[in-house]
Amino acid sequence: QSALTQPASMSGSPGQSITFSCTGTNSDVGYYDLVSWYQQHPGKAPKLMIYEVTKRPSGVSNRFSASKSGNTASLTISGLQAEDEADYYCCSYALSGNYVCGTGTKVTVL
Amino acid sequence: QVQLVQTGAEVKRPGASVKVSCKASGYTFTGYYIHWVRQAPGQGLEWMAWLNPYSGASSSAQTFQGRVTMTWDTSISTAYMELSRLTSDDTAVYYCARVGFYFWYFDLWGPGTLVTVSS
Repeated sequence: QSALTQPASMSGSPGQSITFSCTGTNSDVGYYDLVSWYQQHPGKAPKLMIYEVTKRPSGVSNRFSASKSGNTASLTISGLQAEDEADYYCCSYALSGNYVCGTGTKVTVL
Repeated sequence: QVQLVQTGAEVKRPGASVKVSCKASGYTFTGYYIHWVRQAPGQGLEWMAWLNPYSGASSSAQTFQGRVTMTWDTSISTAYMELSRLTSDDTAVYYCARVGFYFWYFDLWGPGTLVTVSS
């Protein structure tokens, strides 16, 4: 199972919106609506931000939204804030019954 | 407090095995899967395996089949992941994470255990 493909880095100014992708195959991202997104600050464990493609857990800012089209999922951060600077990973359940995660996107707030 | 607590850092020689523990508290241990995800230095997340501590069922990524063993002790709400035949490529932070039955996302993570493989 190959890792899901994410852009290595994205950046934006405070207040701007950024959107980045997570590309898989028709055996994982494209097959199930079971993509989740995680935020990871340096030296910390990942934190769940989005599950089942578009759902936000309680306590996660509504500035975070997500979608999916075909084999590609996307995460949007609106009204970018300094605290959003982190690494972001997508993960998906796969046809094999296992999971696959993405290569990660480093978000920089300029 | 709902949390997963993991063992401290380990240093191992190439060819050795490492056993990492993950202790659950604040929730019913047998009511959730435990997954293992690792992250090599500067790299992304790599899913390794899952364990159902209620039924004992488990599965691992093909990359780790034959090298990873998952065990658990319900009496102390603890899951273990043992990785054998270590090489320098296994140097990574190993996380345990929780997944609810009939859910497919990691809603709770342990703090991670750094495993360094070095001669």
